[in-house]
Amino acid sequence: QVQLQQWGAGLLKPSETLSLTCAVSGGSFSGYSWSWIRQSPGRGLEWIGAIHHSGAVTDYNPSLKSRVTISVDTSKKQFSLKLRSVTAADTAMYYCARDPNDYSNYWGQGTLVIVSS
Amino acid sequence: QSVLTQPPSVSGAPGQRVTISCTGNSSNIGAGYDVHWYQQLPGRAPKLLIYGNTNRPSGVPDRFSGSKSGTSASLAITGLQAEDEADYYCQSYDSSLSGSRVFGGGTKLTVL
Repeated sequence: QVQLQQWGAGLLKPSETLSLTCAVSGGSFSGYSWSWIRQSPGRGLEWIGAIHHSGAVTDYNPSLKSRVTISVDTSKKQFSLKLRSVTAADTAMYYCARDPNDYSNYWGQGTLVIVSS
Repeated sequence: QSVLTQPPSVSGAPGQRVTISCTGNSSNIGAGYDVHWYQQLPGRAPKLLIYGNTNRPSGVPDRFSGSKSGTSASLAITGLQAEDEADYYCQSYDSSLSGSRVFGGGTKLTVL
């Protein structure tokens, strides 16, 4: 049974860096890409970006590309998200997910991130 | 405003059939990119329902089916059950502005 367990700081101040990590268990890490997706009442579901299991290829949403870094630690079967210079508009539920192709078939439980001064 | 357009809500009685539309344009669905569908129960992460326009992952009942034509796609649910009450989202890829995966705004299904 594939499981994605994610964690990270849930309360940030404007201009800080959002940092989340997702650990994969119960399945292969290789052979997939790994995504971060967020959801907010105002913006709905928004794909942030994805990384190939090798870490060699990343793909980011153009609207967030300048602030986002996704990285992978294959030895730990983990991948991480960093989003710099956050504002209130980045307040959302953040999900990690496994991508067999350009869709996600397993999702983490979600982490609510609130940006507030 | 989402790149893919879905109706905000649909409803149906138990046992009935409902469809949810997902309308795009020539940069996404109309360009031939696949459409995928997710179901999101309250307080839960989205769950993959349909991938590659018409394919069901293992464990998804055959009451759920997907189709695609031109610049639109549809999700059909037959034999509606109370447990189907949820939010449904379509997703595709958009090649404009350097390209990105895009989602519909979501449709709230109410089982009457």
